[in-house]
Amino acid sequence: GENVEQHPSTLSVQEGDSAVIKCTYSDSASNYFPWYKQELGKGPQLIIDIRSNVGEKKDQRIAVTLNKTAKHFSLHITETQPEDSAVYFCAAKKGGGFKTIFGAGTRLFVKA
Amino acid sequence: ETGVTQTPRHLVMGMTNKKSLKCEQHLGHNAMYWYKQSAKKPLELMFVYSLEERVENNSVPSRFSPECPNSSHLFLHLHTLQPEDSALYLCASSQDSLVSDTQYFGPGTRLTVL
Repeated sequence: GENVEQHPSTLSVQEGDSAVIKCTYSDSASNYFPWYKQELGKGPQLIIDIRSNVGEKKDQRIAVTLNKTAKHFSLHITETQPEDSAVYFCAAKKGGGFKTIFGAGTRLFVKA
Repeated sequence: ETGVTQTPRHLVMGMTNKKSLKCEQHLGHNAMYWYKQSAKKPLELMFVYSLEERVENNSVPSRFSPECPNSSHLFLHLHTLQPEDSALYLCASSQDSLVSDTQYFGPGTRLTVL
């Protein structure tokens, strides 16, 4: 069935370093790839997304890259700050369907 | 209020109780979703409503019963739950379920079944 693999499950970085989270999806018909950040006691919040007609998208310290051939996409956070500490989820969705498939999440710790 | 709200935020219930979770979206969206979030597992889609019609039911046990009286409100009625049903239940909404993809989540209801 459809699935999204996300790695690593836990990531610890020093403040100011970069963090990279990688995801692989199985359904080649997927064309929308959102990333969510979930802080303690809150629901997931969209931080960036990318569609399959684009290879890279950047928003300040956050960037996402997509390799459709390999069915990989990645989240890059530069100059990490303690407030970046949270659980990050990748997801994949195909057009015309109702279901968004989520990865299992990456817990990011940014040490001050 | 803005965004997606959920009540209650925390709920403890026995296996013989009946309770309901409530979700309200203030975004003018037409689609609403229920997800189950368990520790170290991906978000599990339970139900999808589009224009108040259920369009997805992901093999969810009948002890969970959704209700969507209008496009702004979504309920999840619970009865005779099991301890393994303890989880964070998240509600989400989107402009619609097919064309616009971005889902906006509420804060969730932390459910504990004793």
